[in-house]
Amino acid sequence: AQTVTQSQPEMSVQEAETVTLSCTYDTSESDYYLFWYKQPPSRQMILVIRQEAYKQQNATENRFSVNFQKAAKSFSLKISDSQLGDAAMYFCAYRSAGGNKIIFGKGTRLHILP
Amino acid sequence: DTAVSQTPKYLVTQMGNDKSIKCEQNLGHDTMYWYKQDSKKFLKIMFSYNNKELIINETVPNRFSPKSPDKAHLNLHINSLELGDSAVYFCASSQEGTRDYEQYFGPGTRLTVT
Repeated sequence: AQTVTQSQPEMSVQEAETVTLSCTYDTSESDYYLFWYKQPPSRQMILVIRQEAYKQQNATENRFSVNFQKAAKSFSLKISDSQLGDAAMYFCAYRSAGGNKIIFGKGTRLHILP
Repeated sequence: DTAVSQTPKYLVTQMGNDKSIKCEQNLGHDTMYWYKQDSKKFLKIMFSYNNKELIINETVPNRFSPKSPDKAHLNLHINSLELGDSAVYFCASSQEGTRDYEQYFGPGTRLTVT
């Protein structure tokens, strides 16, 4: 069975600095998708970025980028120029290309220090 | 125009009662999901329907019964509510059979059982 592990329950970063959230996963499949979701206090789940496993190039969305290491089964999220609005729970998630369900990690709570 | 909507957003009820949560999506997606987020923020899938057919049924007490009257709606009915059912329940939808595997989440329903 697939698993997703986020080893950092909480992190803090100074406003305007860069922070990296870690995520590792375990799977025997070769075709899958990885996601980072953000959940602010409003509790709405917002997709931040996604990565297709067959793509070698790391995904980037404005200030958010990932470091996808397929062999190491690692999928970290880098947030550049952190803003107060980035404060939230961040969930790493996995989905098999042939399946329907998303498997979530336990989340990392990110605090932004003004 | 809310893509995935849930009603109610908050639900407080007593043990032993029966309650329902409704979900509707206007994205034209063919697959819908129910997730449960517990007090520790852990998100786990409960059910998934594709074109009104149940395709995922995780280990969930049979007091929980999903119902999909059409592919735009997926309701969750809970019988004989227990204290441990207190959680946030998220509905989500996606379009299967494409490379766009993003799941779009509703705003969540916070259920409190007293």
